[in-house]
Amino acid sequence: AQKVTQAQTEISVVEKEDVTLDCVYETRDTTYYLFWYKQPPSGELVFLIRRNSFDEQNEISGRYSWNFQKSTSSFNFTITASQVVDSAVYFCARKAAGNKLTFGGGTRVLVKP
Amino acid sequence: GAGVSQTPSNKVTEKGKYVELRCDPISGHTALYWYRQSLGQGPEFLIYFQGTGAADDSGLPNDRFFAVRPEGSVSTLKIQRTERGDSAVYLCASSPSPGGVSGANVLTFGAGSRLTVL
Repeated sequence: AQKVTQAQTEISVVEKEDVTLDCVYETRDTTYYLFWYKQPPSGELVFLIRRNSFDEQNEISGRYSWNFQKSTSSFNFTITASQVVDSAVYFCARKAAGNKLTFGGGTRVLVKP
Repeated sequence: GAGVSQTPSNKVTEKGKYVELRCDPISGHTALYWYRQSLGQGPEFLIYFQGTGAADDSGLPNDRFFAVRPEGSVSTLKIQRTERGDSAVYLCASSPSPGGVSGANVLTFGAGSRLTVL
């Protein structure tokens, strides 16, 4: 199986610090999409960002930014100036041929006031 | 509806019993997905519907699991002869269309049904 690996199981920061979440994926496909989802304590997965494999331009959206590097199969995600409401589990996911999302194991982020 | 609705939110059952979990997708979404999330893990794909038909059921763990979507809207995930290992949160998601790879549509998830098998 082509895995998505999130090596960090838990990150704890103090409010206003930046948080970077690592994601490494395996794929044999030339075309694929990468996603980040947030799962707050309520349990509902919330879509954050999507990136396609043929566009490595990194972007910023509000306090979120991401660093996609195809050469290292990494898709890292940064929250700038973290807030308590950012406390959640964050999942990286990959979508290739077919319609399945393959998720990583998640990284729990705890932002302390 | 405004979002993906799943019922029940919590279900406790005894080993060997039959369980049904319901998913009501966003109105107009043709694609519907079921995922299972065990404690401390990421969601795992179970089955995907395009309209009424199951386009990919490769994630169903065994023949005790079955899902239907008879009218192309609401879907029911059915689990027979439940086992303790079936305990998990079952997530449903929908999207406007499958999108394939060239147009990967974003999945909107429900809050899940937490199943506990005693």
